[in-house]
Amino acid sequence: DVKVTQSSRYLVKRTGEKVFLECVQDMDHENMFWYRQDPGLGLRLIYFSYDVKMKEKGDIPEGYSVSREKKERFSLILESASTNQTSMYLCASSLGTGASYEQYFGPGTRLTVT
Amino acid sequence: GQNIDQPTEMTATEGAIVQINCTYQTSGFNGLFWYQQHAGEAPTFLSYNVLDGLEEKGRFSSFLSRSKGYSYLLLKELQMKDSASYLCAVRDTTSGTYKYIFGTGTRLKVLA
Repeated sequence: DVKVTQSSRYLVKRTGEKVFLECVQDMDHENMFWYRQDPGLGLRLIYFSYDVKMKEKGDIPEGYSVSREKKERFSLILESASTNQTSMYLCASSLGTGASYEQYFGPGTRLTVT
Repeated sequence: GQNIDQPTEMTATEGAIVQINCTYQTSGFNGLFWYQQHAGEAPTFLSYNVLDGLEEKGRFSSFLSRSKGYSYLLLKELQMKDSASYLCAVRDTTSGTYKYIFGTGTRLKVLA
């Protein structure tokens, strides 16, 4: 079974702090994604990566950056956390981008910025 | 632009059949996915359609009409454990790369 793990289930940070969210997948997937999920807005793509050291902006990249130094690990960085970044953050991976390659999601990190 | 619409909430009775609709607008359609998400949990994959027609998987079926920009997820013989949110997602290539665009989800309540 594919396993996607995220470093924390719950996180509380203060405004202005630098925040690191880690995601690891164990199935040698090429593609990794970071989403945030907010009530009434659904899942919105922040950044994605199709290869090591490669990254592309999603729909809402402002205030975030990412790092993919190893294939299995994709990190989301909040450079200076703000209260409007309080959300559920979901990481996902997929084998490829064609055909029926579905995304496998991690359990999520609920981040609260105070 | 890109847009996905699905109803916010639906209610059905145990043992019944329910159809959850999804309409989408995109110029770079490259497949449609349905995911199930129980409260507090991660989404899990249910089905995939890229060609017109019906895909059946046990109690769940998914239909696609590309010309109408329309899909539905059909759940038969509803069980209490089917109470969850159902997310419609379109894979889109408008930007030149593959991106997944999600609807806001349909929260299904199954009543005894």
